[in-house]
Amino acid sequence: NAGVTQTPKFRVLKTGQSMTLLCAQDMNHEYMYWYRQDPGMGLRLIHYSVGEGTTAKGEVPDGYNVSRLKKQNFLLGLESAAPSQTSVYFCASSYRDVAYEQYFGPGTRLTVT
Amino acid sequence: AQSVTQLDSHVSVSEGTPVLLRCNYSSSYSPSLFWYVQHPNKGLQLLLKYTSAATLVKGINGFEAEFKKSETSFHLTKPSAHMSDAAEYFCVVKNYGGSQGNLIFGKGTKLSVKP
Repeated sequence: NAGVTQTPKFRVLKTGQSMTLLCAQDMNHEYMYWYRQDPGMGLRLIHYSVGEGTTAKGEVPDGYNVSRLKKQNFLLGLESAAPSQTSVYFCASSYRDVAYEQYFGPGTRLTVT
Repeated sequence: AQSVTQLDSHVSVSEGTPVLLRCNYSSSYSPSLFWYVQHPNKGLQLLLKYTSAATLVKGINGFEAEFKKSETSFHLTKPSAHMSDAAEYFCVVKNYGGSQGNLIFGKGTKLSVKP
């Protein structure tokens, strides 16, 4: 039981490049989330999904897109990376809504130069 | 609207002494409150949660938190700090007024434990 895994662990992009972050969970959870963590800011929700085929915007969605084609996977895309998107990205999942424990992946450290 | 304020960005204690990490909340509803811990270069892990049952909530690793409605506080405590407790701690509230998926995180308190 791997829990929540994220790929890749580290990435460096140039401004304007695109990339996709992959999150996978093996707990059959309905809800999945993408957060970004910046120093002194706590975690901020980018997008989330309440089930396969559904996505919704969180607090800071601009510049990101997501897809949930399979229940176990949640992809985060950056279409044209900007230095302001330099951050650590965390994926999480929960059985149902946010009142349930969220299980976090180990994070992806992204640097945009 | 809901919000949380962690009153200290950094707390330093000696091993074996008590830990107190302070959190105040603001909520228009009966709140759901959580404490999460993040060890260096790791994801977050749930320590404990309050969802309107007992006001004293016990969590993992000897931590507990007390919900005080009159003071709008949800402080995290531990009687005796261990070196392995050194981490960043986040107080979190469920956002009822926003989207379904929304937790609101405090800015974090970094706990240092001196030998």
